[in-house]
Amino acid sequence: KQEVTQIPAALSVPEGENLVLNCSFTDSAIYNLQWFRQDPGKGLTSLLLIQSSQREQTSGRLNASLDKSSGRSTLYIAASQPGDSATYLCAVRGGGGADGLTFGKGTHLIIQP
Amino acid sequence: NAGVMQNPRHLVRRRGQEARLRCSPMKGHSHVYWYRQLPEEGLKFMVYLQKENIIDESGMPKERFSAEFPKEGPSILRIQQVVRGDSAAYFCASSPLAPTNTEAFFGQGTRLTVV
Repeated sequence: KQEVTQIPAALSVPEGENLVLNCSFTDSAIYNLQWFRQDPGKGLTSLLLIQSSQREQTSGRLNASLDKSSGRSTLYIAASQPGDSATYLCAVRGGGGADGLTFGKGTHLIIQP
Repeated sequence: NAGVMQNPRHLVRRRGQEARLRCSPMKGHSHVYWYRQLPEEGLKFMVYLQKENIIDESGMPKERFSAEFPKEGPSILRIQQVVRGDSAAYFCASSPLAPTNTEAFFGQGTRLTVV
């Protein structure tokens, strides 16, 4: 059974700092990994999708890496802004048999103005 | 191209009533997934459907829950005889192709409260 862990569970940093969110998964037989953000009471917004054959993806100030063999991914946020405050979710597809995404519990991020 | 549309956004039901949650996938998407987010817990996969077929229901509770995705119209997640423990946010996602290599797009969710 696939399990996804995200560290830290919560993070509070001053505006402007660069930061790294971590995600690990137990079964490396994944098809892809996706990072989302979720604002309170809202749905999920897809940030980045990394296929199992890729090492990283970039979108604006966001960069996500994938080390499939070690079961790890990181989300790097450069020059953080208060608008980045949200819960960031890591999810993998594949490994463990189910067709759906397996989610971590998220990192609750607060960027202090 | 509208995103994944879920309705209602909020639903209140008394214990023992039925809840029907609707999901219209993005245009051109024929794969639909339902997830549940319980308070203070992560999202959990429930069921994966294609048009008129349930592909994977390994995450669905064995009783009271059912899902369908008819040839015409939205996908429906149906919860019969709701209990307080069913209170949660239910999210629908869709993708254009099989799940192995495509991005999943999520709706805004339906927040079910059982009183």
